[in-house]
This record gives sequence, structure tokens and C-alpha cells, in this order.
Amino acid sequence: GENVEQHPSTLSVQEGDSAVIKCTYSDSASNYFPWYKQELGKGPQLIIDIRSNVGEKKDQRIAVTLNKTAKHFSLHITETQPEDSAVYFCAAGDSWGKLQFGAGTQVVVTP
Amino acid sequence: DTGVSQNPRHKITKRGQNVTFRCDPISEHNRLYWYRQTLGQGPEFLTYFQNEAQLEKSRLLSDRFSAERPKGSFSTLEIQRTEQGDSAMYLCASSPDRGGGYTFGSGTRLTVV
Repeated sequence: GENVEQHPSTLSVQEGDSAVIKCTYSDSASNYFPWYKQELGKGPQLIIDIRSNVGEKKDQRIAVTLNKTAKHFSLHITETQPEDSAVYFCAAGDSWGKLQFGAGTQVVVTP
Repeated sequence: DTGVSQNPRHKITKRGQNVTFRCDPISEHNRLYWYRQTLGQGPEFLTYFQNEAQLEKSRLLSDRFSAERPKGSFSTLEIQRTEQGDSAMYLCASSPDRGGGYTFGSGTRLTVV
């Protein structure tokens, strides 16, 4: 069935370093791949997304890459700051908008 | 505030009681989703609506769960005869189109004691 695997589950980085989170998916019908940031006590917040007709997308310090052949996609955060500390979720979806989420990555940025 | 609004934020109930949660989506969004999130996990899909029509329900949504979206505006999620395993964060999200970015609400945290 549909499955999204995400790793690592925790990631500690020094402020200013880069963070990379990787996800794989199994449903070849997936064509939409968003990333969400969730802070304690809040709902997930969309930070960047990519569609299957694009291989890479960048928004300031955040970038996402997609390899549809290998069914994996990654989130890259450069020049990390303490406010980047949160749980990050990848997701994969079909054209109807239903999303399958990964289990999350707890990112801790230490000053 | 034009975001997705969920009420209540927290709900503590005794096992066997019924509970109802409400979600008010962004007004121009015609799609509304319910997800459930347990500690340390990603959100799990429960059901979604296109306007007032409920288009898909997950196998996670047992007969004790029912969701409605009358008039295609706000939505309610009711859980009957709650069980301890129902304890979770219930998230609502809305989106304007097919496959578009969701906007999530802050969720309703349910604790069944």
C-alpha cells in the first residue's frame, strides 16, 4: 500500500550548518510532494512543495529535490538558525489532494 | 484571522462518551480534510470533502466516527463511544484546489480517560 518513509528521525546541527532530510515513497501515482514544519502545540505549516514535473525548487534557505524515477525527495535547509528547530514532515499525494505523511524529523539547531 | 479554525483546542472526556469537534476552513477553500496525529507520528488521513460531498473515508474511520460538512462551509467530526485509543490530535486542513497546498488548523487534542 501507500507508504512514505522519512529519515533521519532526529537531526542535530550547529547553527549555520546545513540540514538534509530524505523521504521515499511507494505510490507511483503520487505527483505532489509538500514539506511541513510543525512547532509544539501547533498544526503543520507548509514551507515548500514540489510537483512531479519539476526536479528542484528553492525558496531562500530552503530547497527541495525530487527524483521521481527513484521515488525519493529531499529537503535541504542551509545556514540553519535556532528558529528552524521544529519537527519537519514530508508528504506525498495524488491528484485528489489526499496526502501520506512521513513519521517526521525532529531538527534541533544549537547556537 | 483568516486561517483554519478548530474548536475546541483541548477536550478531555471519559471513555464511552461522545465528542464533537468543529472546523472552520478558509472561506474560499472548497476542499476540507480531517487528519489524526498521535505522538511522534505524522498526520494520518481520515476523510475529506469537496464542498458538502464526502469523497473518501479512510479505513481508520470506524463506524464510531462520522464527519459532516453541511452547506460546504464548516465541518464537524463526531466520535461516539470514545475509547482510550482515540486519544490523539485531530487536525483539520483546507485547500482551494486539487493537490494544492493545505492550510492546517492548530488541531483539537483529545484525551480519553
